Amino acid sequence: KNEVEQSPQNLTAQEGEFITINCSYSVGISALHWLQQHPGGGIVSLFMLSSGKKKHGRLIATINIQEKHSSLHITASHPRDSAVYICAVRALGEGGSNYKLTFGKGTLLTVNP
Amino acid sequence: NAGVMQNPRHLVRRRGQEARLRCSPMKGHSHVYWYRQLPEEGLKFMVYLQKENIIDESGMPKERFSAEFPKEGPSILRIQQVVRGDSAAYFCASSPRREAPLHFGNGTRLTVT
Repeated sequence: KNEVEQSPQNLTAQEGEFITINCSYSVGISALHWLQQHPGGGIVSLFMLSSGKKKHGRLIATINIQEKHSSLHITASHPRDSAVYICAVRALGEGGSNYKLTFGKGTLLTVNP
Repeated sequence: NAGVMQNPRHLVRRRGQEARLRCSPMKGHSHVYWYRQLPEEGLKFMVYLQKENIIDESGMPKERFSAEFPKEGPSILRIQQVVRGDSAAYFCASSPRREAPLHFGNGTRLTVT
């Protein structure tokens, strides 16, 4: 079982819809990242969070440490939001080795006009 | 302030040749991470370097792969005697401190023919 599980794997939405992508993990973490990757493109870091909620424009990320779960929400979705969204966790490590990221397999989001 | 620069964007090598992938971190960043993304798989940690030092190379195959981050110049990921299974996207990320948010490059897509 992967340490980081994302759902759904694929998501198709109509422009304007509210989107939710979920991430569950099985280890203790020091931080969780949400990343965006366009097809054939680079990776952009959207959020790094260790508690609560963060908002940037139409994007909102939440995390529940007790339940080991995070969600990424996109309000008023737009075709340009179409991309792969990746959840990654920084596990609590021994001897200060909490720099490694473990990645989910990503959620492919397609927003149709 | 340029972001993380990776070159080349695309690299084609024949089996048995050497591949050299370069990563220039953001200005002021002394921590560099390399990740590999195989087709249809998630990103995987390869190696973590901090100026002139390899901190953790546990994710890198023991044979044929090496990485360096010299005092001057970019970080280099070197793959000797490439095989078809090395075909993947290789991403570099940098940060100013160990637990700071990461900034990713656009990746180098290696194709071994």
